[in-house]
Amino acid sequence: DGGITQSPKYLFRKEGQNVTLSCEQNLNHDAMYWYRQDPGQGLRLIYYSQIVNDFQKGDIAEGYSVSREKKESFPLTVTSAQKNPTAFYLCASSTQGSPAYNEQFFGPGTRLTVL
Amino acid sequence: AQSVTQLGSHVSVSEGALVLLRCNYSSSVPPYLFWYVQYPNQGLQLLLKYTSAATLVKGINGFEAEFKKSETSFHLTKPSAHMSDAAEYFCAVSPGTYKYIFGTGTRLKVLA
Repeated sequence: DGGITQSPKYLFRKEGQNVTLSCEQNLNHDAMYWYRQDPGQGLRLIYYSQIVNDFQKGDIAEGYSVSREKKESFPLTVTSAQKNPTAFYLCASSTQGSPAYNEQFFGPGTRLTVL
Repeated sequence: AQSVTQLGSHVSVSEGALVLLRCNYSSSVPPYLFWYVQYPNQGLQLLLKYTSAATLVKGINGFEAEFKKSETSFHLTKPSAHMSDAAEYFCAVSPGTYKYIFGTGTRLKVLA
């Protein structure tokens, strides 16, 4: 079955540590996204990538980094510079082209908690 | 700039009653509008989308939404609520780029 997988489902981090969240898709989508979800704030875009080896900052990129070395993979690193990383992180992907057709498909999410 | 406002962070309805979740948008260009549903600790699933083909859009699970340009609204409705509809619902707008702007969500509670 085609879809998006995120791992791990739950992640605990000590203060000062970097952690990497995995996102893999087998939908053959060109574009991939990372969102952060906090209660009552909806989804906020962290980074997005429209093509391999290229990515752009979203609205809240500070303290995060990404890479896009393969079409299928778009890992997100939460660095120690991110002051309040506890949140639910969602990865999404879509085809390129008209937004009428580039529906974003979401993974199941990773819940990150800083201890 | 594009934006989305969802009125009511929490909505409660009785099972079998009408569901109405409100979404108003602001867009300087003809928008593409979406409704997504999120069940606890899961990702988002597309319910329906408006792409200018028809103002009344039918989606999955019996939901529909009507695009009203004069009111800049895209409210989500379902004639009869079911217990399984309890979830959080997000309205989103795309100005024609890859970027989506999401509303803050409405949590729907269905009372037995």
